[in-house]
This record gives sequence, C-alpha cells and structure tokens, in this order.
Amino acid sequence: ILNVEQSPQSLHVQEGDSTNFTCSFPSSNFYALHWYRWETAKSPEALFVMTLNGDEKKKGRISATLNTKEGYSYLYIKGSQPEDSATYLCALGGGGNKLTFGTGTQLKVEL
Amino acid sequence: EADIYQTPRYLVIGTGKKITLECSQTMGHDKMYWYQQDPGMELHLIHYSYGVNSTEKGDLSSESTVSRIRTEHFPLTLESARPSHTSQYLCASSRSGGLMANEQFFGPGTRLTVL
Repeated sequence: ILNVEQSPQSLHVQEGDSTNFTCSFPSSNFYALHWYRWETAKSPEALFVMTLNGDEKKKGRISATLNTKEGYSYLYIKGSQPEDSATYLCALGGGGNKLTFGTGTQLKVEL
Repeated sequence: EADIYQTPRYLVIGTGKKITLECSQTMGHDKMYWYQQDPGMELHLIHYSYGVNSTEKGDLSSESTVSRIRTEHFPLTLESARPSHTSQYLCASSRSGGLMANEQFFGPGTRLTVL
C-alpha cells in the first residue's frame, strides 16, 4: 500500500498571499500523481494529473510540480482568493487506476 | 462538469436497517469506485469495478457489498447498518484505456449516520 503524506494539515492565509503545499511519498512505484480540490458540500474536482519526473502543470493561478526521484509534489497558489478555500487532496495512481489519497491540506483564505 | 450522481446526500438511520447508497454516472465510464472517509482521515478505496459484472474489494476492508449490473449504476449496500458504519461514502468513475493516469470524477458523496 502506498503511503501519501500531505503538509501542512491546515493553512490560513490572507487574500492576495501566495502559498504552497507539499505531497510526499516514499516510492516512485506509481503511474500518476493527482491533485484534487474539494470544496465543502461539493464533489472533489480534479486539478492536475502528472506522470513524469519534472512535470509542471498550471491552471490559472494554481500550478503543480512533480519530483519522483525525491518523492514529492508541490502545489502553488498565487494571489490566494476566498474562493480558493477548500481541501486540497493529493493521490497516487497505481495499478488499475486505483488511487491512494493523503489526508489533504485544508486552506482557508481570509479577507 | 462531471455527471456522476449520488443519493441520498445525507442519511440518518437506526442500527440493523438495510441501506443502499445509489451512484450513477452518465459518462459511459467502465471503471467505478467507492471510497469511504472518516472525519479527519484519508479517502480509502473500499470497492471498485472495471465493468458490468465485475466487482472487487478495495484496500480498506468493508462490510458493504456492491453490484454492477449496468454500466452506469454502481450501488453500495449495507445489509445491517451499525454505528461503526457512520462515515462519508464517495463514488467515482473513470474511463478505460490509455495510460494508468485517468482522472477520476467524483460524486458529491453520501454522509451516513447510524444511530
């Protein structure tokens, strides 16, 4: 079973701050790394899927990088807005496209 | 927007009752999944299916059962609910083929409370 750790567990930032979270994993024995955003009372929404060492993905103010050799992925949010408040989940995709999730980073963006 | 639906969204029920959590998707995906999440914990895979008449146990042991008689429908059943089954249950689906990196689309979840 893959072990996925996310830090920090929770984060409070001010509107306009930039922030980043970490997803770490001990093994490169997986097919893909996924980032999801999960807003309260809504469905988790896929942000990025990354497969290769050195992958970088960007969607608006949010970007992510993957380092499979050292076992981590970073998610960055530039100029945080209140609508960015959510739990951000990292998951490793293994055989059969089964996902192993971390516990998530809960982000609160305050005005 | 992903078209995957779960009902009910919230359910409070007494011990010993039989319950079925519904999950349907309109995307024609072959693969479907059920995850369970206890408060403050990770999502854990409890069941998955690669197509009609295919069901497998996930990484986390669960007393629930699933069936896949139609591509679009993947219900989860608890024959006799207990307080230990209180949790949030999320259904997801993904397409087949290509690399093992297919995005999973999630439903909004069912929050189950067993008294």
